[in-house]
Amino acid sequence: DAKTTQPTSMDCAEGRAANLPCNHSTISGNEYVYWYRQIHSQGPQYIIHGLKNNETNEMASLIITEDRKSSTLILPHATLRDTAVYYCIVSDLYGGSQGNLIFGKGTKLSVKP
Amino acid sequence: DAGVTQSPTHLIKTRGQHVTLRCSPISGHKSVSWYQQVLGQGPQFIFQYYEKEERGRGNFPDRFSARQFPNYSSELNVNALLLGDSALYLCASSLTEQYTEAFFGQGTRLTVV
Repeated sequence: DAKTTQPTSMDCAEGRAANLPCNHSTISGNEYVYWYRQIHSQGPQYIIHGLKNNETNEMASLIITEDRKSSTLILPHATLRDTAVYYCIVSDLYGGSQGNLIFGKGTKLSVKP
Repeated sequence: DAGVTQSPTHLIKTRGQHVTLRCSPISGHKSVSWYQQVLGQGPQFIFQYYEKEERGRGNFPDRFSARQFPNYSSELNVNALLLGDSALYLCASSLTEQYTEAFFGQGTRLTVV
């Protein structure tokens, strides 16, 4: 089972920041927070990952709380092309004992004009 | 550079038949993972191969098997197909066995009738 809890769906206005929350209260010290997204009919796309410090790349920012029990993915200026299902995944670098990423159901983000 | 390529993109099989799905990872990537995604769910892990050895296996029956070739491409085989095997089959490649940034292909849409 996924170790994360995400809202089922969210809406965001085009051009505004999209803030996607994720709860991972049972995260272990060596586990990272990964974010992937899946646009309809495509394979998942890596966005960002982090351990405890906030991270930023060209796609998004990842804010992890100090106790590491929750995080927020921020898309600073959402566009219609950001409409997708966003998955928050908690895992060590090697995908845990089985070597895999465990996907939950994710958050369906709808960016509206 | 070519991304992860999967073939075929779509196929239809009859119950009881066998199917082989193929994946070519990004050049230089040595790890390949397979995931099954049924409609409305997140991807579910099937296998991971790294340096031609199985590193992890998900909770799938023995009808599912895979292998990785010396050029790091991979095949997923499913025997005795069931209607419930209808899904999008995704292949992900990464440079090493670490999941720092996994790249997914577009998937193979398998329909079992």
